[in-house]
Amino acid sequence: DAGVTQTPRHEVAEKGQTIILKCEPVSGHNDLFWYRQTKIQGLELLSYFRSKSLMEDGGAFKDRFKAEMLNSSFSTLKIQPTEPKDSAVYLCASRRGLGSAETLYFGSGTRLTVL
Amino acid sequence: GEQVEQRPPHLSVREGDSAVIICTYTDPNSYYFFWYKQEPGAGLQLLMKVFSSTEINEGQGFTVLLNKKDKQLSLNLTAAHPGDSAVYFCAVRTIDRGSALGRLHFGAGTQLIVIP
Repeated sequence: DAGVTQTPRHEVAEKGQTIILKCEPVSGHNDLFWYRQTKIQGLELLSYFRSKSLMEDGGAFKDRFKAEMLNSSFSTLKIQPTEPKDSAVYLCASRRGLGSAETLYFGSGTRLTVL
Repeated sequence: GEQVEQRPPHLSVREGDSAVIICTYTDPNSYYFFWYKQEPGAGLQLLMKVFSSTEINEGQGFTVLLNKKDKQLSLNLTAAHPGDSAVYFCAVRTIDRGSALGRLHFGAGTQLIVIP
């Protein structure tokens, strides 16, 4: 089975641009998460979907960050407009969603640099 | 809400030595605990998951100890080798409730370097 696939691996954007990051969860997984990872803040939850429904969004990220699940096998994270402080690694993760002790599977991430 | 603190943020040991990473949590309803390993340029990979019913959990080359009384979780690498060099994260999950359904609370991570 394929793991979580994230594209692109690297993204460079100018301040003010719109960027879209993509994620394909593990086939059959119902839960999907977007995290932002920085050295200072560690892992911060951006969004959590269960069966395509948005269950949680990271309150501090609402204004410029929008995650969507267009179908059960594809999700996007849009940042609009980008700011230099958005430079980070964005991780997508998924799990089956049938039990509390399930493993979360992570993609390799997208490293975003905003100039 | 749940607060997870992880220490140390950086750890350097010589090959063959042991390494200990500790996480403390606050929510007494925490029931599931995870350790993840992240190698450079990669996502997080599960190392071990433990449940509150088990205090000592052994893996290949490491042991996870859970002290519910002190709300502490530790990862002990015995005889570390250079391949163990990575960032390690603990994660804690409470029993599913309402809008907090399914959320994991991560520690800040520990950068482990094993010197040959």
